[in-house]
Amino acid sequence: AQSVTQLGSHVSVSEGALVLLRCNYSSSVPPYLFWYVQYPNQGLQLLLKYTSAATLVKGINGFEAEFKKSETSFHLTKPSAHMSDAAEYFCAVSVPSGGYQKVTFGTGTKLQVIP
Amino acid sequence: DAGVTQSPTHLIKTRGQQVTLRCSPKSGHDTVSWYQQALGQGPQFIFQYYEEEERQRGNFPDRFSGHQYPNYSSELNVNALLLGDSALYLCASSLMLGPGNYYEQYFGPGTRLTVT
Repeated sequence: AQSVTQLGSHVSVSEGALVLLRCNYSSSVPPYLFWYVQYPNQGLQLLLKYTSAATLVKGINGFEAEFKKSETSFHLTKPSAHMSDAAEYFCAVSVPSGGYQKVTFGTGTKLQVIP
Repeated sequence: DAGVTQSPTHLIKTRGQQVTLRCSPKSGHDTVSWYQQALGQGPQFIFQYYEEEERQRGNFPDRFSGHQYPNYSSELNVNALLLGDSALYLCASSLMLGPGNYYEQYFGPGTRLTVT
């Protein structure tokens, strides 16, 4: 069975500082990996995805993530935080299951951006 | 191009009642998945519908059931509501590209269910 661990349920950064949100996964088969963002009272928006192509993945709003198989990690980064980045971020893993994809989400990390 | 839509936006029900939530997938999508997101938690997979049949199911009791119509829209039904069913229910649609192939899910805004 696959699983996702997001380290730190709350992360605070200053505006303009580096954003680093951590995600480690467990999977017995090569996974697909995703980062989603959720603003208050809204659904999930896909930030970026890893589907076994390039290990460094660039997404929307200046975010990127690097797939490191040896560390089973898929950490999300952004060089300079903006106030609009304040939201909750979810890491997810997807693996083949009975011919379909089974998606498992982490518990989320709330990002606070301090002016 | 309309994205994934869900109705209603908010719903308040009493313990023991039944509820039906609705989802219209993104244009061109044929697969609908439902997730439950409790407060402070990540989304938990409930089930997935493709070709009007339930294809996958997460660890949810039989009180949770669903349906998919020929136009690909879907319903989530929950019977005998419990206080613990209070959550944001998210619908995600995708295009099935064949067994084992990656498909991207697009999420709707969710339905906030409160059980009192």
